[in-house]
Amino acid sequence: DADVTQTPRNRITKTGKRIMLECSQTKGHDRMYWYRQDPGLGLRLIYYSFDVKDINKGEISDGYSVSRQAQAKFSLSLESAIPNQTALYFCATSDFWGPQHFGDGTRLSIL
Amino acid sequence: AQKITQTQPGMFVQEKEAVTLDCTYDTSDQSYGLFWYKQPSSGEMIFLIYQGSYDEQNATEGRYSLNFQKARKSANLVISASQLGDSAMYFCAMREVGTGFQKLVFGTGTRLLVSP
Repeated sequence: DADVTQTPRNRITKTGKRIMLECSQTKGHDRMYWYRQDPGLGLRLIYYSFDVKDINKGEISDGYSVSRQAQAKFSLSLESAIPNQTALYFCATSDFWGPQHFGDGTRLSIL
Repeated sequence: AQKITQTQPGMFVQEKEAVTLDCTYDTSDQSYGLFWYKQPSSGEMIFLIYQGSYDEQNATEGRYSLNFQKARKSANLVISASQLGDSAMYFCAMREVGTGFQKLVFGTGTRLLVSP
């Protein structure tokens, strides 16, 4: 089983719909992150959480919200999806010193 | 200003040859970390190698090595003896202590194609 699991792996939805992307991890890391990847722009940080009671905005948080339900679970929501939120979304985890470990990504298409 | 710059959108290399992927960074922090990730066509992000700003020796992990030149603010990835499976996107990333430890800033990536 993967250490960092993202669900769903693929999602196609319509403008205006509410969408939740979920991430769970078995690595025991305190720190979790959500990134968005667009062609030619690399990965950009949406939100991050250093523990269950800590939520921080990244560089592109507008239009997104997150919930840290437990140490192992971190979900990303799009309250009212719009087409320019079509992207590949990654969840990642880390401990204090080590590298970030990524899930396999969620391909989200908003029509 | 770009924190991480990868100037090579694409690189080609023949199997068994070595290849260098360039990465320059911009920071005023004394303490920072540099990472390289590989993204195959299947989409996952795979951690390859890490270099800390205070590490005196260049990092190595198997066929991967990081050519760290602190004064020039460069952290190039060297892949020795390229294999067909090395064909992928490669991302350089930096972690700055001053902006909140463990926040990574990524470059735009270099696509490597290994030919037989």
